[in-house]
Amino acid sequence: ETGVTQTPRHLVMGMTNKKSLKCEQHLGHNAMYWYKQSAKKPLELMFVYNFKEQTENNSVPSRFSPECPNSSHLFLHLHTLQPEDSALYLCASSQDGGSGDTQYFGPGTRLTVL
Amino acid sequence: KQEVTQIPAALSVPEGENLVLNCSFTDSAIYNLQWFRQDPGKGLTSLLLIQSSQREQTSGRLNASLDKSSGRSTLYIAASQPGDSATYLCAVADSNYQLIWGAGTKLIIKP
Repeated sequence: ETGVTQTPRHLVMGMTNKKSLKCEQHLGHNAMYWYKQSAKKPLELMFVYNFKEQTENNSVPSRFSPECPNSSHLFLHLHTLQPEDSALYLCASSQDGGSGDTQYFGPGTRLTVL
Repeated sequence: KQEVTQIPAALSVPEGENLVLNCSFTDSAIYNLQWFRQDPGKGLTSLLLIQSSQREQTSGRLNASLDKSSGRSTLYIAASQPGDSATYLCAVADSNYQLIWGAGTKLIIKP
């Protein structure tokens, strides 16, 4: 595998379910990101991890819980979601989160909350 | 608060035409400006990155310009091809190095 991978690619869940999104980067980068992309809206930055430490949390509701066990893996744990949380969730990585350098994106997970 | 706007939201042109996509931002205190493309069902692919001290960057048929003082950037695509059909996103890196995104321009190149 090369680049940034995300699983699953599609996920349908009820409001009472608990699920997790997984992201893995094979680029040797030190920073990883979670973004939310809703239809016809700009990407919204959710979380940033730099060297496994969370450096940004953009007022994301607690029903979204990130986890970064190492620099190559990033998870987004989901519980008690709302229908408005339905969106494309994108993971990205970059060499260093503090330099504004190019980010490399995964294909995303299309989430539908019923 | 930085805001990024892309106009138009959608654009359809015949194959072979040269075209310009526009991006504007409200705060000129940016670290860099980046252009990406997004294909349906896929993630984003970085096209060009312009540092705040630069005026333009070129890659193949793509040329991006940056005018910080007026808060504008353009992406010029020469000799457009059907494979250029995608959504083009503009993002500026703020003083915290976080990307602030526009909503994108959906480009369709008609064969």
